[in-house]
Amino acid sequence: SYVLTQPPSVSVAPGQTARITCGGNNIGSKSVHWYQQKPGQAPVLVVYDDSDRPSGIPERFSGSNSGNTATLTISRVEAGDEADYYCQVWDSSSDHPYVFGTGTKVTVL
Amino acid sequence: EVQLVESGGGLVQPGGSLRLSCAASGFTFSSYSMNWVRQAPGKGLEWVSYISSSSSTIYYADSVKGRFTISRDNAKNSLYLQMNSLRAEDTAVYYCASVVQGVIKFWGKGTTVTVSS
Repeated sequence: SYVLTQPPSVSVAPGQTARITCGGNNIGSKSVHWYQQKPGQAPVLVVYDDSDRPSGIPERFSGSNSGNTATLTISRVEAGDEADYYCQVWDSSSDHPYVFGTGTKVTVL
Repeated sequence: EVQLVESGGGLVQPGGSLRLSCAASGFTFSSYSMNWVRQAPGKGLEWVSYISSSSSTIYYADSVKGRFTISRDNAKNSLYLQMNSLRAEDTAVYYCASVVQGVIKFWGKGTTVTVSS
């Protein structure tokens, strides 16, 4: 089955840029979606289809996807961005169509 | 406003059964595919099961196949997960989620299942 690998943790100072990677075999050929999950809360979609943002999500959140790596970028990081982030792909040809990444804890220093 | 409200979680002994429900409102439930996703304590997200809008297509994760059954009642705007032969490793928060073209657009707040003797 398809595997998505994320770094366990990323630390960033307020105002700086956080980059969270999601590695998978030829992931550039798939659409990647990103979710933010704060402690005790349900996940929230922050980026879909590689780089689109749902309404209400700040422009500080952006995404890219190429080759074997997709990246979620959080610009001008704020304390409220501290959370776990998960990438996800959908393989419509598979009978296990939904795959999540291993998750990355973003810590704001 | 889209709302997904899960219920039915609780404490159950190994080998026991539970039926989770998810009540949907604020959108045309019958037009959307749905997922169950779970999260074990301190762990990441794990996809559990998928059902298409008409129930014609159903998928399960290998970890639950043969033990869990997903279903829906579009007339009642409800999604279900029948869980049998429960194991300790099924202990998790279970989320109901609506999907569009592979994107999980909305999530419920989750219901907690604890499998322990």
